[in-house]
Amino acid sequence: AQKVTQAQTEISVVEKEDVTLDCVYETRDTTYYLFWYKQPPSGELVFLIRRNSFDEQNEISGRYSWNFQKSTSSFNFTITASQVVDSAVYFCALRTYKYIFGTGTRLKVLA
Amino acid sequence: DTGVSQDPRHKITKRGQNVTFRCDPISEHNRLYWYRQTLGQGPEFLTYFQNEAQLEKSRLLSDRFSAERPKGSFSTLEIQRTEQGDSAMYLCASSLMEGPGVSDYGYTFGSGTRLTVV
Repeated sequence: AQKVTQAQTEISVVEKEDVTLDCVYETRDTTYYLFWYKQPPSGELVFLIRRNSFDEQNEISGRYSWNFQKSTSSFNFTITASQVVDSAVYFCALRTYKYIFGTGTRLKVLA
Repeated sequence: DTGVSQDPRHKITKRGQNVTFRCDPISEHNRLYWYRQTLGQGPEFLTYFQNEAQLEKSRLLSDRFSAERPKGSFSTLEIQRTEQGDSAMYLCASSLMEGPGVSDYGYTFGSGTRLTVV
């Protein structure tokens, strides 16, 4: 079975704090992709990052960074120096041919 | 081509009525997917097509739901005898699958159709 777990339902931080969103996945497939999406109140899914199962290199993009560890089946997402505009629901997802999404983490960044 | 288009963006219907949504994928994409997102949840897979063939249907897709992709281009999702539990965002996505054993490309989501059943 495939599953994605985002244990943090909601996180509140004060602007400029760093925050890490956790994601744990389960799959028996050896080839898969992992994703993070942002969903602002407008509802569309905004793609943030994709990693394939063979590439465990961590990635940094501006204030965003991702830590992929196959040994613990985790794909965590860190926002450095958070801003109010980062407030949204963030989804972690696993994909072979179809997506399996987690239940999302609502991030509130307070001014 | 500006991406995956879904119509309408919003639909309010009375319980018991039938509704139909349309999805226009990216033109060169041969795969088309439907997902449903209820409040507080992530999107959940409903069904997908490769060209005009419907290859998989989730258990979430009850007998009241039917999806078609008659010419392998646009797709429709119909819900008959709507219930309040059908209220959700219905997302369509498309991708290009070039062959077996090869990952698909360009998986893109539409902006969704938000259904409210009153």
